[in-house]
Amino acid sequence: GQQLNQSPQSMFIQEGEDVSMNCTSSSIFNTWLWYKQDPGEGPVLLIALYKAGELTSNGRLTAQFGITRKDSFLNISASIPSDVGIYFCAGIKTGANNLFFGTGTRLTVIP
Amino acid sequence: DARVTQTPRHKVTEMGQEVTMRCQPILGHNTVFWYRQTMMQGLELLAYFRNRAPLDDSGMPKDRFSAEMPDATLATLKIQPSEPRDSAVYFCASGLDSPYEQYFGPGTRLTVT
Repeated sequence: GQQLNQSPQSMFIQEGEDVSMNCTSSSIFNTWLWYKQDPGEGPVLLIALYKAGELTSNGRLTAQFGITRKDSFLNISASIPSDVGIYFCAGIKTGANNLFFGTGTRLTVIP
Repeated sequence: DARVTQTPRHKVTEMGQEVTMRCQPILGHNTVFWYRQTMMQGLELLAYFRNRAPLDDSGMPKDRFSAEMPDATLATLKIQPSEPRDSAVYFCASGLDSPYEQYFGPGTRLTVT
């Protein structure tokens, strides 16, 4: 099925650094969601975005709904070891019933 | 702390056997989704229910897979007969009134030998 492209595929950062990742598509979406998946667990919803240009925060996480509606961005400030995991973006097209998931960004935080 | 629950968490079975996976959505949620996750394909939607009615199962191999919601608190995904290529992690997710915010269970890791 169709997937959204996430970049980077993986990141290795020092504890305390800020992190930026993005999700792009050739299609327009009317909702963007960001999830985090820990090993052996299901994805956990972090942030939901519903309007183009919307900027939403959840603690140290900030996500933005791109103006073109074809992309979204996630930033993590002052990373900590428990931020380790795989971050997925997911989008919903107008009139669609299902989420399209991104390919994931694997984050490693070095203490 | 409301959560989606899935059983079993792990299942190892031989090719040809029937496999049944169960999901209890968050109480009050009326949409239920089944996904399959593999390294190669990522997360793929298999089936989607709203108010217990199947709305979309186009992602599911019809010849061997079936999904049902016997009641509002139970969703099942069956594979009969199972094949090695069905080995994956199967997730159930639930939501309220829309497909937007979906909350995932811990998954069932299926291995078919």
